[in-house]
Amino acid sequence: NAGVTQTPKFQVLKTGQSMTLQCAQDMNHEYMSWYRQDPGMGLRLIHYSVGAGITDQGEVPNGYNVSRSTTEDFPLRLLSAAPSQTSVYFCASSYGSTYSGNTIYFGEGSWLTVV
Amino acid sequence: DAKTTQPNSMESNEEEPVHLPCNHSTISGTDYIHWYRQLPSQGPEYVIHGLTSNVNNRMASLAIAEDRKSSTLILHRATLRDAAVYYCILRDDNTDKLIFGTGTRLQVFP
Repeated sequence: NAGVTQTPKFQVLKTGQSMTLQCAQDMNHEYMSWYRQDPGMGLRLIHYSVGAGITDQGEVPNGYNVSRSTTEDFPLRLLSAAPSQTSVYFCASSYGSTYSGNTIYFGEGSWLTVV
Repeated sequence: DAKTTQPNSMESNEEEPVHLPCNHSTISGTDYIHWYRQLPSQGPEYVIHGLTSNVNNRMASLAIAEDRKSSTLILHRATLRDAAVYYCILRDDNTDKLIFGTGTRLQVFP
C-alpha cells in the first residue's frame, strides 16, 4: 500500500514557467487537498476536493489550478511560476470529512524552488 | 474559525514523559481535536484525535479538559525519534479542512 505519492520530490523552475505537481493515492479516499509550507510556518491550504469532479479553493489559491478527473489523482498546476511560490508542497487525502474525525494521510512533500 | 494556541518549543530528555499543551477556547461542541506531528523533511503524520473523552493509542495519549477548551498530548516515554513539530489542530468550519498553526517544536535530548 503506497499511500499518498507525490512527484517530483524536487524541482527548480524559472520565473514564468509552468509545471504540474502530481499526487496519487491508492486508498480510495474521496477527500484530497494540497497544502504549502513556507520555512518556519505551518501548512496553508491551497485547493481541495471532496470527490471526483469537485474542487474548491482554500486559503491561498492564487496562482494555482487543480482538477480531479479520477478518485486517485489530484494534480496541482502552477500557471506562471513566481519566486513567492518557492515552498514545500504537500498533498493529502482522507476517507471522509475531518468533521467525523477521519485521519488525513500526507505525501512526503515536493520541494519547489522558483528562481 | 476555531484556532489553537501552543507553546513554540519544548524540551525533554529521552525516556521521560512529555506533556504538550494546547488551548482551543473557541472550539465548537462537535469539533474533534486532532494532533499531528511532522518529523524533519517529512509530511505530517497522524498522532491521535479525540472529541470529549481521553484517548489512548500506541503512540500517545490525549487528555481533554472537561470544558474542552484545552487538551494535552502525552508522550509517555520520549525517544529521539519523537523530536518533531507537534500540531494541535481544529477543523475550519468554512472549508472543512484542518487548520495548521506553527505547532510546538519538541527537542529530545539523550
